[in-house]
Amino acid sequence: EAGVAQSPRYKIIEKRQSVAFWCNPISGHATLYWYQQILGQGPKLLIQFQNNGVVDDSQLPKDRFSAERLKGVDSTLKIQPAKLEDSAVYLCASSSGVTASSYNEQFFGPGTRLTVL
Amino acid sequence: SQKIEQNSEALNIQEGKTATLTCNYTNYSPAYLQWYRQDPGRGPVFLLLIRENEKEKRKERLKVTFDTTLKQSLFHITASQPADSATYLCALDVGNFNKFYFGSGTKLNVKP
Repeated sequence: EAGVAQSPRYKIIEKRQSVAFWCNPISGHATLYWYQQILGQGPKLLIQFQNNGVVDDSQLPKDRFSAERLKGVDSTLKIQPAKLEDSAVYLCASSSGVTASSYNEQFFGPGTRLTVL
Repeated sequence: SQKIEQNSEALNIQEGKTATLTCNYTNYSPAYLQWYRQDPGRGPVFLLLIRENEKEKRKERLKVTFDTTLKQSLFHITASQPADSATYLCALDVGNFNKFYFGSGTKLNVKP
């Protein structure tokens, strides 16, 4: 079974520039998550999709971050414009859960390391 | 405020000993809790899940306990090996359709 794919693996940009990350979840997984992990901290949930609908985006800085999951499969996360504090690893995860009591594990991709200069 | 706390200091133990990691939380009533392992430069990998009505869960050398009264989960690795060296993260179900909050993780160093 193929895992969660993410690209690019690394990205370096100047502040105020834009950047986009791509995620391809495990085939058939209904739920997709984007997390931000700052060095030395745990993953922080940014947005959660169930199929192609947003379940939770309460911690997404909507003035600069946006995400979409077209057709309920691949997803992109965009930052525009980037700030220095956006430097982090952006992790995508998927799970097969379709109900609130599915108790499903999350499968994570390798992440994209973003450096904002 | 809502918190999930893991010991931020690294845990250093000798090979063969039992490692015990702690996850404490406040202001949540999770239906279940998960533990993940994260190696440098990689995404977290799922290890174990324990539900609120389960006191203990085991998988090979791993054991997890869940005390909803104390609001605490303990994660044990018995007969630890240098290959167990990694950061271990706890994740709480925060009751909204498989939404999770993670702790900051504890780094485990197992010395030969």
